[in-house]
Amino acid sequence: NAGVTQTPKFRVLKTGQSMTLLCAQDMNHEYMYWYRQDPGMGLRLIHYSVGEGTTAKGEVPDGYNVSRLKKQNFLLGLESAAPSQTSVYFCASSPGHWIAQNYEQYFGPGTRLTVT
Amino acid sequence: QQPVQSPQAVILREGEDAVINCSSSKALYSVHWYRQKHGEAPVFLMILLKGGEQKGHEKISASFNEKKQQSSLYLTASQLSYSGTYFCGTEIAYNTDKLIFGTGTRLQVFP
Repeated sequence: NAGVTQTPKFRVLKTGQSMTLLCAQDMNHEYMYWYRQDPGMGLRLIHYSVGEGTTAKGEVPDGYNVSRLKKQNFLLGLESAAPSQTSVYFCASSPGHWIAQNYEQYFGPGTRLTVT
Repeated sequence: QQPVQSPQAVILREGEDAVINCSSSKALYSVHWYRQKHGEAPVFLMILLKGGEQKGHEKISASFNEKKQQSSLYLTASQLSYSGTYFCGTEIAYNTDKLIFGTGTRLQVFP
């Protein structure tokens, strides 16, 4: 099992450009999450999904869109990149809600995005 | 809504103990602890549920004080491998599907 993979690992964009980050998991997990991590800010939730075809907003959703057309994939889109979106982006997945079985979140290796 | 972690940074010698606190201004239903080594992804340590018991994982354990809306992570007889940044993730409403993470506590263990 590859676990949670993210594509690409690094990317440099110019202001106004668009891009899509891909997250894939091979563990048949229902829940998937996108976070951004900035120095001194911890992990902040952008969007999440509790199943195929569903998405919901997190703490910092502005400027991002997501889609979960297939259970194993969760895409994060930036329509018009801004320097404030320079960050490290982590995807995570979980079997389900933690109350049921103390489920943990499994994180991908991260994507480092720089917007100039 | 972001929980506050203290201290922000800790420096230890091998074998010393440390306590990391996570406090919330809102009622907590669960607290999750993760560790992230430099340049890597966060890795799960443990979950504490409202009404649940103190958890332990080798020499790392945690408690959850619902009245104080606080959780504490205890690292006993620290090892070099404990170095990293520790994050608490909090659930501030019942049965939500998301966590709000703190800003992290950086722990460095030296020989």
